[in-house]
This record gives sequence, C-alpha cells and structure tokens, in this order.
Amino acid sequence: GAVVSQHPSWVICKSGTSVKIECRSLDFQATTMFWYRQFPKQSLMLMATSNEGSKATYEQGVEKDKFLINHASLTLSTLTVTSAHPEDSSFYICSARGRRGTDTQYFGPGTRLTVL
Amino acid sequence: GQQLNQSPQSMFIQEGEDVSMNCTSSSIFNTWLWYKQDPGEGPVLLIALYKAGELTSNGRLTAQFGITRKDSFLNISASIPSDVGIYFCAGQGAPGGGSEKLVFGKGTKLTVNP
Repeated sequence: GAVVSQHPSWVICKSGTSVKIECRSLDFQATTMFWYRQFPKQSLMLMATSNEGSKATYEQGVEKDKFLINHASLTLSTLTVTSAHPEDSSFYICSARGRRGTDTQYFGPGTRLTVL
Repeated sequence: GQQLNQSPQSMFIQEGEDVSMNCTSSSIFNTWLWYKQDPGEGPVLLIALYKAGELTSNGRLTAQFGITRKDSFLNISASIPSDVGIYFCAGQGAPGGGSEKLVFGKGTKLTVNP
C-alpha cells in the first residue's frame, strides 16, 4: 500500500512553545491530507482537512489559529501547534489521499506530543 | 452528525478461535474501511469495501459491506497472537461537500491468549 511518513515520531516541549509536525506522502501525490488527534483509549478525531494550495477546513471546535495547517505541495502538509499547553498533549496522526475522491486514505505512523 | 456504533468494545479470545466484529451506522456510506492500530502507531488499512453486498478477503480476514450500506462486519479466522490490537471501522461518504471525510467507530480491542 501507499506510504505516508510523519516527522517527528515524538516530541516533548515546554508550555508556550510551538511545535511543527510534518506529514509526507512518499510514493503518491496527495491532493488531500487530513489531520487527526487521538487521546488514550479513544478513537481518531478529525481536526481538519487540507487540500493542496488552499486553506484548510477545520472541524467544529478546533481552533484554526492554534493548529496551523499548511499544504504547500502534493506530498507535504504541516501541522503547527502554536503556544502549546499540556492539554494539547496527544497523539497526532495524518492521512493522505490521492487525486480521486474515492481514493483510500493512508495513515502516517503518528506523532506523540507531550507538553510539559 | 454521523455516528458509527462498533461492537464489541473488547474481546478476549484463545489463539485459534475465530473473531467477529461489526459496525452499524445511522446513515449510509459509499465506502467501508477496516483498520488495525497497534500501540503508538497509526492505523493500517486491512480491507476496503466499495459496493453494497461486497464480500472481500485479505488472508484470514473477511469483511462485508452490508446491503443497506449502513453496516459492515469483519471476521478474523484462526486468530494468532499478532492479531492483538485495536480494530477500527470507518465509513466514507460520496466525494464532494465534505462527506468524503472518514467517520470512525470507537474501536474493538482484541486480546489473543496463546
């Protein structure tokens, strides 16, 4: 199947700092990328949908000024958690989908963010 | 909004036993997907179903897309210890209008005793 990578795989930061997470599709062009967060023992919660070259669409309740998403190319999307706080600690997972709307989403391995 | 009911929440079985889990929805989907997630990893796609009534196998895994398009099941035959993990169903609507987003079930945690 398609390969999606995330970097870093884990990060620990101090409260108030910003953290950037990268999501890359390695062997296909991803016109759409999705960002999820997952709390322990819970399912994935969609945060935002990102289309290449346009602004991300955020889900209700997700602060767009806090979770900045950039999808500048067909293989790269970034999520920046600005002014992170301990409650932002979570497992962040991206997924990528190809050109056709019916293409399957392939998930990255996730990034564990811990804010001290 | 759309919700998926996935059951059971957890299962404890002996190695070699068969496993069945299912998802039901209050609304129809165009695509049903089954993922497996290991601790600290992202979900890995197991089976994708695109047509109502479709029955698809992937090794010891078999999944079906319900005729009503509101349900799907996943069966695992002759379970082995590496089947341990959390299994998620996900439904996807038609392209456009935001309905192509995945809606996830809450997961089924599978434990296999050797």
